[in-house]
Amino acid sequence: GAVVSQHPSRVICKSGTSVKIECRSLDFQATTMFWYRQFPKQSLMLMATSNEGSKATYEQGVEKDKFLINHASLTLSTLTVTSAHPEDSSFYICSARAPPGAYGYTFGSGTRLTVV
Amino acid sequence: GQQLNQSPQSMFIQEGEDVSMNCTSSSIFNTWLWYKQDPGEGPVLLIALYKAGELTSNGRLTAQFGITRKDSFLNISASIPSDVGIYFCAVSSGSARQLTFGSGTQLTVLP
Repeated sequence: GAVVSQHPSRVICKSGTSVKIECRSLDFQATTMFWYRQFPKQSLMLMATSNEGSKATYEQGVEKDKFLINHASLTLSTLTVTSAHPEDSSFYICSARAPPGAYGYTFGSGTRLTVV
Repeated sequence: GQQLNQSPQSMFIQEGEDVSMNCTSSSIFNTWLWYKQDPGEGPVLLIALYKAGELTSNGRLTAQFGITRKDSFLNISASIPSDVGIYFCAVSSGSARQLTFGSGTQLTVLP
């Protein structure tokens, strides 16, 4: 149980275009999801906290107009990287807090974004 | 933001050896978590610690929540090739109980 599915796993896009990444909780409801970014050989850095039915909370230094987050249902959060540039190339990972009875946080398998 | 000091940064060990890594913080936390990340994948939870002084095992893995609530260690006994990966400590804090990760320990197991 407590599976989080993330799609796509890999995407290449042209500079200036937008890319949408989906994060779904498959067998539980997640009122809160988290989006992380991980550069090569670095740790996971929290970008934003996604709240179902309300605005996301962004970490300091993360541009909310560039990284649009929508959490329209209890099982789906999306991250849209708008007007992507090569420096946005990174590994993006979502997670959700495990449901009652379980513990910890479940992570998606990540999305490798390459902007060319 | 919160800062976790994780060490060592990397380790090269022989198969069968034991491994130890640790995380420290200048702040007190009530939850410590240990994750493993394989290349191109999201982190997978190994052990969760919720009580100061707690010692918890998961197979060959053992983790302890420091009594001061400012540190934790993870031990892996009798390492095997599939233990290769990056190990992260993490703490839960903030109003949304979001996770903050340590810098990671890259483990390489030599045959």
